Amino acid sequence: QKEVEQNSGPLSVPEGAIASLNCTYSDRGSQSFFWYRQYSGKSPELIMFIYSNGDKEDGRFTAQLNKASQYVSLLIRDSQPSDSATYLCAVNRDDKIIFGKGTRLHILP
Amino acid sequence: ETGVTQTPRHLVMGMTNKKSLKCEQHLGHNAMYWYKQSAKKPLELMFVYNFKEQTENNSVPSRFSPECPNSSHLFLHLHTLQPEDSALYLCASSQDYYSENTGELFFGEGSRLTVL
Repeated sequence: QKEVEQNSGPLSVPEGAIASLNCTYSDRGSQSFFWYRQYSGKSPELIMFIYSNGDKEDGRFTAQLNKASQYVSLLIRDSQPSDSATYLCAVNRDDKIIFGKGTRLHILP
Repeated sequence: ETGVTQTPRHLVMGMTNKKSLKCEQHLGHNAMYWYKQSAKKPLELMFVYNFKEQTENNSVPSRFSPECPNSSHLFLHLHTLQPEDSALYLCASSQDYYSENTGELFFGEGSRLTVL
């Protein structure tokens, strides 16, 4: 089983709709969770982090963590074409940051 | 200069060459990292330096040799590479290592390496 799993996509979402990105992880001991955005040809950029069960909101972004089910998700409200990118889920396991392969998101104008 | 800067941005080398990648961070962070990004693969952690001491070597072949002279600079020395080593090499920094916020990484723009 892969340590951090994401659907590679592409996920196509109409402009203005909610984009929902999901990530599951295998190690129950994982402590903290991160979402990075990577535009084509650019480096990853941290957009959200979450340490506790529940929801964390920052502007149009909401991260959701469910440690019992070992999944973390990212919701993007009012999706914009500028949100089109690859979103990488990352997990802190014993101070090693393990990344998923990423989900390509395409916002349809 | 701000953030994390990497040079060169692009590098083409033969299998017998020796070259180096350079990374500099201007954020006052204590930890620096080398990651490898290949197509259709997750980011792979290669090395971690915390307060310029190596804390992680993620089973990286010896043809990759890191150097961290101080907390702001990180090098990756390359020699006798293989074509499968062609990838984007990303440098990153974080405020601390061994802490809850270790995953709050700031990445450089990367060095695109092609090995012929």
